Amino acid sequence: QVQLQESGPGLVKPSETLSLTCTVSGGSVSSGSFYWTWIRQAPGKGLEWIGYMYDSGSTNYNPSLQSRVTISVDTSKNQFSLKLTSVTAADTAVYYCVRDRGDYGNHPFDYWGQGTLVAVS
Amino acid sequence: DIDMTQSPSSLSASVGDRVTITCRASEYISRYLNWYQQKPGKAPKVLISAASSLESGVPSRFSGSGSGTDFTLTISSLQPEDFASYFCQQSYRAPFTFGPGTKVDVK
Repeated sequence: QVQLQESGPGLVKPSETLSLTCTVSGGSVSSGSFYWTWIRQAPGKGLEWIGYMYDSGSTNYNPSLQSRVTISVDTSKNQFSLKLTSVTAADTAVYYCVRDRGDYGNHPFDYWGQGTLVAVS
Repeated sequence: DIDMTQSPSSLSASVGDRVTITCRASEYISRYLNWYQQKPGKAPKVLISAASSLESGVPSRFSGSGSGTDFTLTISSLQPEDFASYFCQQSYRAPFTFGPGTKVDVK
């Protein structure tokens, strides 16, 4: 059974960098079959796709965040990470790390971490 | 970006009711449409992928249909555990986008 767990600070100051790590168990981030993804949800709001990494290095980011986002992987620890620079209050959200199954062109998000609330203040 | 809309934004229903939620894409997305259920304080859970494929372990009372721009999620007989929010998501083209959600609560 695949499990994902987010970790990182719950409070970040404006203009600083938000850094989160996702530890994956029951599966390998080195697998070329999956897209390791970050999604966020502002309080009381909808879901926003941040981006993914696949094939241990290729990335695809939401253009609305592209200038500030980096997703990277540490295969030795079976983890992937999110960095979001120059944060503002608008970046306050629950951040989820997610596995995207990448099924024949479709991208269902089939395993999710429990989510971690990051407040910018 | 492909804009996703859902209707209704909320609905009240009773156990045993048939519930239908619609999702519309702002442009053609073939069948690259997934449905999720989210309960308060929990991560979303995928119910339906590729418009109509039931995910493993999801009860058969859930079904999906549609293609192109118009899609439907149906719960044939609402159960107590189905009171939740439901989101559609397109994966035809990045950035992948979600609908705003439909909240199903108790009548």
